[in-house]
Amino acid sequence: DTAVSQTPKYLVTQMGNDKSIKCEQNLGHDTMYWYKQDSKKFLKIMFSYNNKELIINETVPNRFSPKSPDKAHLNLHINSLELGDSAVYFCASSQASPGQVLEQFFGPGTRLTVL
Amino acid sequence: QQQVKQSPQSLIVQKGGISIINCAYENTAFDYFPWYQQFPGKGPALLIAIRPDVSEKKEGRFTISFNKSAKQFSLHIMDSQPGDSATYFCAATNTGFQKLVFGTGTRLLVSP
Repeated sequence: DTAVSQTPKYLVTQMGNDKSIKCEQNLGHDTMYWYKQDSKKFLKIMFSYNNKELIINETVPNRFSPKSPDKAHLNLHINSLELGDSAVYFCASSQASPGQVLEQFFGPGTRLTVL
Repeated sequence: QQQVKQSPQSLIVQKGGISIINCAYENTAFDYFPWYQQFPGKGPALLIAIRPDVSEKKEGRFTISFNKSAKQFSLHIMDSQPGDSATYFCAATNTGFQKLVFGTGTRLLVSP
């Protein structure tokens, strides 16, 4: 199936640990995003990559480091996890081009719980 | 200036009724206004979108009304069905920046 997939779906870990979330899209898109959705459902962009190049970097702690090995993958590594990092993290992709905003396709989310 | 304000926070509508969700923005550079629908445990999915050169866009039971002078737009769901029960997010962006700014979401419950 063509889609945006994320692994793992659930992640429970202790404070201070380092964890990674993986994202893959097979839609042929050249732009990928990471969003954070907090407990109040507020959805906020964290990062955006276009063809492996970082183009949006919101005010996210530098404990969060995205890595795009190729344009179909965008992984998120989080160092020294804190309680406030508990949230659902969504990966998304789109075929963005200058002057156009095309649909963003979201993955199923990764629910991160930091204990 | 980057905020998109959304109301109400939650909404209960009877089956067959009209659901109305409102959004307001401040940044006049925004030129694309999508609505996303999110079911529990799923990622958001695009429902319908509008550009400010039109005042209304309709797709099936879903209609966006857009008021450029008031910097407001709204989603109307006609003949609401229990399957429409979800969280709805309005969003806005400037096509030059590709960054969606989301509203705070509205949890819609359509009672049978």
